[in-house]
Amino acid sequence: GQNIDQPTEMTATEGAIVQINCTYQTSGFNGLFWYQQHAGEAPTFLSYNVLDGLEEKGRFSSFLSRSKGYSYLLLKELQMKDSASYLCAVRDSNYQLIWGAGTKLIIKP
Amino acid sequence: GAVVSQHPSWVICKSGTSVKIECRSLDFQATTMFWYRQFPKQSLMLMATSNEGSKATYEQGVEKDKFLINHASLTLSTLTVTSAHPEDSSFYICSAQMGEWDEQFFGPGTRLTVL
Repeated sequence: GQNIDQPTEMTATEGAIVQINCTYQTSGFNGLFWYQQHAGEAPTFLSYNVLDGLEEKGRFSSFLSRSKGYSYLLLKELQMKDSASYLCAVRDSNYQLIWGAGTKLIIKP
Repeated sequence: GAVVSQHPSWVICKSGTSVKIECRSLDFQATTMFWYRQFPKQSLMLMATSNEGSKATYEQGVEKDKFLINHASLTLSTLTVTSAHPEDSSFYICSAQMGEWDEQFFGPGTRLTVL
């Protein structure tokens, strides 16, 4: 079966750095996405990785290792507004998005 | 760019009535639109995938006669919850995709409460 694993919840301090991991086992691979979802709102797109390596976008970076079935989302200089759920999703060989359950990130002052 | 709207943003209805939710891609043509449901504190659950001009593909366990999807044009898809019951109360979110290699852009969601 297809599976995406990410931690259920993480806590970090304002101004610090946090890394949210995602491991996957899917039927084929056509890219990995990270989305941010604030409570009661729809997800918003953060990043996309299809090749191995690091993609940097401002305070957010996303890393992919296809051989290990592994990705992480790195958030730097954390702000209170970064408190949200972070969803990892993998596009499989049928171009279907397989969603992880999401990681709830709690930022403390 | 890449804005997706949903209407209504929230709706309260009586049990047994039908509710229609619209999803529009405002500044791009979406070859594919997706409908998700999300219960409180749970992850997104894909209900169905629809391509313009063809029948929607429903996920296992989703009743196609209860959740009617119409993808009439490249910018509009509708989800009708027929004979709604309290257990259908949920957050319904649509997303739209330009091409199969593109990311999905999400609408703001519709909160449905069935009394």
